[in-house]
Amino acid sequence: GAGVSQSPSNKVTEKGKDVELRCDPISGHTALYWYRQRLGQGLEFLIYFQGNSAPDKSGLPSDRFSAERTGESVSTLTIQRTQQEDSAVYLCASSTAGTEGSYEQFFGPGTRLTV
Amino acid sequence: DAKTTQPNSMESNEEEPVHLPCNHSTISGTDYIHWYRQLPSQGPEYVIHGLTSNVNNRMASLAIAEDRKSSTLILHRATLRDAAVYYCILRGRTQGGSEKLVFGKGTKLTVNP
Repeated sequence: GAGVSQSPSNKVTEKGKDVELRCDPISGHTALYWYRQRLGQGLEFLIYFQGNSAPDKSGLPSDRFSAERTGESVSTLTIQRTQQEDSAVYLCASSTAGTEGSYEQFFGPGTRLTV
Repeated sequence: DAKTTQPNSMESNEEEPVHLPCNHSTISGTDYIHWYRQLPSQGPEYVIHGLTSNVNNRMASLAIAEDRKSSTLILHRATLRDAAVYYCILRGRTQGGSEKLVFGKGTKLTVNP
């Protein structure tokens, strides 16, 4: 079946503009995650959605970042008033999730954002 | 979150075994040990995970120390396609109880032909 998809694959924007990144998780996966990866660095956790529970926003770096998810499907990550330091690859992952710590995450190809 | 320590880089020859070490001395009793790898210009992909016992799958083997303070990912016969950054991750929780992955910088594996 289809994996996690993200769009756009590349986005170039100007400082101060808003951008919206999209993630389509694997069908049936209740958990969805957003991560950010700066050039040459590891991944930073941003936000996590699990079913209808309130999202875990503890990784969002500032109030310019927000994310939404419609039910157990598409998610959008919005960055307002983009800054140069927002330049990174934004990765989305989904999983069947649980509370045991044993479920693998399936990652999309990422959106490369250049400000 | 408990942290992991990995060498920055390792090198191997094609068709030879590779042992990628990871130290996690502050692991808690309920933390799973996960390994992911990231090929150039791609998102990470799951490799293997374990809790206490050694694990084998089609991609690799995971050897976990008896005290669980370290583990080793074993690629039995490295291929050029195995060249990637390998991340050793403890499956932790945020304050909200969610299942985030905490990535370090990983080990960059170079496979020589």
